[in-house]
Amino acid sequence: AQSVAQPEDQVNVAEGNPLTVKCTYSVSGNPYLFWYVQYPNRGLQFLLKYITGDNLVKGSYGFEAEFNKSQTSFHLKKPSALVSDSALYFCAVKGNKLVFGAGTILRVKS
Amino acid sequence: EAQVTQNPRYLITVTGKKLTVTCSQNMNHEYMSWYRQDPGLGLRQIYYSMNVEVTDKGDVPEGYKVSRKEKRNFPLILESPSPNQTSLYFCASSLSGQGADIQYFGAGTRLSVL
Repeated sequence: AQSVAQPEDQVNVAEGNPLTVKCTYSVSGNPYLFWYVQYPNRGLQFLLKYITGDNLVKGSYGFEAEFNKSQTSFHLKKPSALVSDSALYFCAVKGNKLVFGAGTILRVKS
Repeated sequence: EAQVTQNPRYLITVTGKKLTVTCSQNMNHEYMSWYRQDPGLGLRQIYYSMNVEVTDKGDVPEGYKVSRKEKRNFPLILESPSPNQTSLYFCASSLSGQGADIQYFGAGTRLSVL
């Protein structure tokens, strides 16, 4: 069965510092991996996805994610956090169906 | 503007009173689905539709119905709502539902069942 784990309920980071939001997955075969972001009172928005090829994927708003097959991880990263990045972040994996993680709240403080 | 529109955004109802949450997309997408979002559980799929007149159960379909009579619309029906259906609901659509399709989400419907 497919599963996604986001081990941190919340991540706190100071503005200007690098941020990492962690995600690990379990799926048979080669997965498609996604990150979505949810701002307050809004639906989820697509950030980036991994299909194949380069393990470092670049997405919207300066975010990137690193695919690590041996560790079955797909961590979301940004070199310099902004207060406006504060939101709820979801990792998702697509095998035979799309499965979302529980979400991680990112709080960026000025 | 490409979008998925849900209505209503907020709904308070009582146990047993039938309700419908509408969802419409203007992107000519084949695939549409409904999710519920609960704290600590993330998004769980209720029902999905691969095309007109084709619907199937997701992970948590009990207590819900859907229909897909037109490509653009995918309403969610709660025939007899119960308090455990209090949740935040999202409709989503994608081009085909296959491969690495990107999902487009509506703004959500917050439902409270008293």
